[in-house]
Order: sequence, then structure tokens, then C-alpha cells
Amino acid sequence: AQTVTQSQPEMSVQEAETVTLSCTYDTSESDYYLFWYKQPPSRQMILVIRQEAYKQQNATENRFSVNFQKAAKSFSLKISDSQLGDAAMYFCAYTLQGGSEKLVFGKGTKLTVNP
Amino acid sequence: DAEITQSPRHKITETGRQVTLACHQTWNHNNMFWYRQDLGHGLRLIHYSYGVQDTNKGEVSDGYSVSRSNTEDLPLTLESAASSQTSVYFCASSQGPGTSSIDTQYFGPGTRLTVL
Repeated sequence: AQTVTQSQPEMSVQEAETVTLSCTYDTSESDYYLFWYKQPPSRQMILVIRQEAYKQQNATENRFSVNFQKAAKSFSLKISDSQLGDAAMYFCAYTLQGGSEKLVFGKGTKLTVNP
Repeated sequence: DAEITQSPRHKITETGRQVTLACHQTWNHNNMFWYRQDLGHGLRLIHYSYGVQDTNKGEVSDGYSVSRSNTEDLPLTLESAASSQTSVYFCASSQGPGTSSIDTQYFGPGTRLTVL
């Protein structure tokens, strides 16, 4: 069974600094997708960034980027120029390629941004 | 704008009562999912549907049921609510087969359910 592990229950960063959140996963499949979701205090789950496993190029969305290491089964999220609004729970998630498979989530990392 | 909504946003009920949580999406997505979120567990899949009349059990399906009579709605029913089902429940949807890009799940705002 696929599993997703986020080894950092909590992280903190100073405003305007850079922080990296870790995620590892376990799968025997070769084609899959990986996601980072953000959950602010409002509880809304918001997609931050996504990555196809067959793509070697790391995905980037504005201040958010990933470091995808397929062989190591690692998918870390880097947040640059951290803002107070980035404070939230961040969840890493995995799904098989094919378009209809369920998401497997990690337990989340709580990010605090200090002014 | 297309969206996914859940109702009610908050619900308090008593042990043994039947409870139904509503989920409605206007994305015209084929796939719909129900998750529960508990401290220390992240989100866990309860049930999911790939289309009308299709339902499947997820990781934590005991005590829950769903039915899909149309594309837009996937109500989640707790047949006899238990205190262990106190949680935050999220509905999600995704386009499903035929999508030309990563099939991404989009989430509703969640329902906080308390079973006393």
C-alpha cells in the first residue's frame, strides 16, 4: 500500500525567509502524481502545487517550488519569501496516474510564519 | 463560477441518530470523494464515486454510506452516529477520465460534526 510521510509535524520561518517542508512516499508504481495542499485556519483545502512523476523538471508556482527526487521517493516543498498568509497546515498527497485514483495524504506539517 | 459546497458547515447530533452530510459540485466532475480529518491522521478516505450509480469503499468506510443519483451530489450518511465519528468531513471532486492534465481534486469547505 502506498504511504506518505511528513516527518516534520511543525516548522517555523521568519517572514521573507525561505523554508522547506519534507515529504517522502512509498510506492512500487512508476506513474503517479504528487500534490501539496495548504489548509489555513479557515479549514479550506487549497491546492498549492502538483507534479507528474514522469517529468524530471520540478514544478514551480510563483513563490512555491518542489524538489522532486523520484529515486529517493522524496517530494519537498520550498516556500520562498515567506509571507504571514503562508501560515497553515501543509499536506503532501499522492495518487496513481490514471485520473481516477484516490489521494493518500501525509499527516501534515504546521507552518508558523513569524513577523 | 463552478464550485463545491457542503452543508451544514457545523452539526451537533446525538449518539445513535442518523445524519446526512450534503456535498454539491457544479464542476460537472465525474469523480467525488468523502474524507474525514482527525488530529494526527491527516485526511482519510471514507467513500468515493466515479460516476452516477457508482460507489466504492475507502480506508475508513465502516458506519458510513453514500449514494450517487446524479452527477452533482454525493451525500454522506452516518447510519447510527457514534462518538468516534466526531470529525471534520471534506468532500472533493475531480474531473476523472478524459482529462488532458493532472486529475486534481478540489475540496469543499468542510463540515464539522460533533456526536455527543
